[in-house]
Amino acid sequence: GAVVSQHPSRVICKSGTSVKIECRSLDFQATTMFWYRQFPKKSLMLMATSNEGSKATYEQGVEKDKFLINHASLTLSTLTVTSAHPEDSSFYICSASDLGSSGSYNEQFFGPGTRLTVL
Amino acid sequence: GQQVMQIPQYQHVQEGEDFTTYCNSSTTLSNIQWYKQRPGGHPVFLIQLVKSGEVKKQKRLTFQFGEAKKNSSLHITATQTTDVGTYFCAGLRSNTGKLIFGQGTTLQVKP
Repeated sequence: GAVVSQHPSRVICKSGTSVKIECRSLDFQATTMFWYRQFPKKSLMLMATSNEGSKATYEQGVEKDKFLINHASLTLSTLTVTSAHPEDSSFYICSASDLGSSGSYNEQFFGPGTRLTVL
Repeated sequence: GQQVMQIPQYQHVQEGEDFTTYCNSSTTLSNIQWYKQRPGGHPVFLIQLVKSGEVKKQKRLTFQFGEAKKNSSLHITATQTTDVGTYFCAGLRSNTGKLIFGQGTTLQVKP
């Protein structure tokens, strides 16, 4: 399957600082990238959908000013957690997908995740 | 909103026993996908089911999609320790590419 990288894999920061997480699709051009948050032993919660060159679409309850998403190219999307607080500590995972020849979305390829700890 | 429910949450089996996880959606799905997440890892795509009543097999894994396209199951025959992990079903919201994940079933296999 396709390869999606995520950087950094782990970050520890002080409360009030901002953290940027990068998601790259290495061997294909992703029509759409998705950002998820996962709490320990819980399922993936979709935060936002990111399409190249357009504004991200946020899920209900996700603060767009808190979680800034930029999708500058078909291979790169970034998530910035602004003014991070301890409750923002979580496992953040991105995924990438593209439209198949039939016009419907193919499977999602997930990055390895970023574990954020806010002190 | 659209919900995908998955049961059981946890399953402990003896190596060699079978395992099944079930997934139900509150609405009809355009397709359903299954992912596996190993402890400390990220979800890895297993399979996608699109057609009503579809059954697909991957070695010891059998995936089914219900006739109404609202439920699905994953059955593992003769589990092995390498099957350990959390299995997620995810319903696709058509035209958006968004996946709605079930809660996952965590499988533990005793050797």
